[in-house]
Amino acid sequence: SQQGEEDPQALSIQEGENATMNCSYKTSINNLQWYRQNSGRGLVHLILIRSNEREKHSGRLRVTLDTSKKSSSLLITASRAADTASYFCATLRGDMRFGAGTRLTVKP
Amino acid sequence: EPEVTQTPSHQVTQMGQEVILRCVPISNHLYFYWYRQILGQKVEFLVSFYNNEISEKSEIFDDQFSVERPDGSNFTLKIRSTKLEDSAMYFCASSEDRAGTGELFFGEGSRLTVL
Repeated sequence: SQQGEEDPQALSIQEGENATMNCSYKTSINNLQWYRQNSGRGLVHLILIRSNEREKHSGRLRVTLDTSKKSSSLLITASRAADTASYFCATLRGDMRFGAGTRLTVKP
Repeated sequence: EPEVTQTPSHQVTQMGQEVILRCVPISNHLYFYWYRQILGQKVEFLVSFYNNEISEKSEIFDDQFSVERPDGSNFTLKIRSTKLEDSAMYFCASSEDRAGTGELFFGEGSRLTVL
């Protein structure tokens, strides 16, 4: 099995700023997914990027994938207070495993 | 929009008691999962289930744990003799495709408190 590891562990920004979170993983992947978790709630899927893709957009989200460096980044542009949550990357080989997450706080 | 539902939302139990957590996955999904999250810690994989059998399980999923799909809709996690360290949020998830090929849909979780 494998899992992604996110950094930073915590990130605090002002509303309107961009937030960048990084994920590293150890072995080859078919795809990488990002999830969001509001405090104490279930995880919500944000975006999936396949191993043959380098960049993907979804609304204010931009995900990049560098398979040579085994890393991915999630950029949230023009952040809002409602973006405050924990963000996890997840990779798969047999089962889906999550990293420890980045706790993002967006201050109004 | 279809969703994964979990019951109970919160259960308090005494150490040594058996607990069953229930999940109703999305109806056309074929793959089912249990994860747990100890307060403030990472989301940990427990087990995946497909075609009425366990596909993968983690080192956490020992003999105290079992899963079952007793009918066409429910997916249950049983902890036979709970320990204090089993206190956590337990999340059920389901997917149409095998994990990692598509997204996982999570329930809102069942908080288990073992006293």
